[in-house]
Amino acid sequence: GESVGLHLPTLSVQEGDNSIINCAYSNSASDYFIWYKQESGKGPQFIIDIRSNMDKRQGQRVTVLLNKTVKHLSLQIAATQPGDSAVYFCAEFRGAGSYQLTFGKGTKLSVIP
Amino acid sequence: GAVVSQHPSRVICKSGTSVKIECRSLDFQATTMFWYRQFPKQSLMLMATSNEGSKATYEQGVEKDKFLINHASLTLSTLTVTSAHPEDSSFYICSAITGGAGGELFFGEGSRLTVL
Repeated sequence: GESVGLHLPTLSVQEGDNSIINCAYSNSASDYFIWYKQESGKGPQFIIDIRSNMDKRQGQRVTVLLNKTVKHLSLQIAATQPGDSAVYFCAEFRGAGSYQLTFGKGTKLSVIP
Repeated sequence: GAVVSQHPSRVICKSGTSVKIECRSLDFQATTMFWYRQFPKQSLMLMATSNEGSKATYEQGVEKDKFLINHASLTLSTLTVTSAHPEDSSFYICSAITGGAGGELFFGEGSRLTVL
């Protein structure tokens, strides 16, 4: 069952600054790690992913870093904009015929104009 | 890009009734779809994996008789919440994976269920 009284960690960032959202994962066997953005009342939107054999991947204004030694994933958003305000989830994906996508707890990003 | 559509987006029902939520892949065939549940301020929790033409695989703790999943075609999976109660009120989200090696995963917009 779900945890009672669970609150999402919140990150408040000034518009134009860079944001760093962190995530710890548990399964060393995951094939991919994915960052999703979820706006209120909507489904998750894919932002960027990274294969387990990579350390860094860059997209448009976003960079994902993967540290397998400490099982840590981060999402960096450059020049944060008000439209970036949302909840961000990391997820571990395992394929190989047994697809499983497990979501982390999420971080709420609030951008201060 | 690929689109996954859910219907209805919002539904309110009385306690004891059953509610069906549809998940459609609009421009691709999806042999595998996933159903998630999300409570307020919490993460998405996988409920079950739906495979076309076969029985769904449920996660531990999810009642298969309570949450009926049918994946009768390559573009449609349905989740029926049977005899719904207020504690079933939640945001239900489906996702579908495109076929072939390196399949991509796409999410629906979610369905908000409120049981009175």
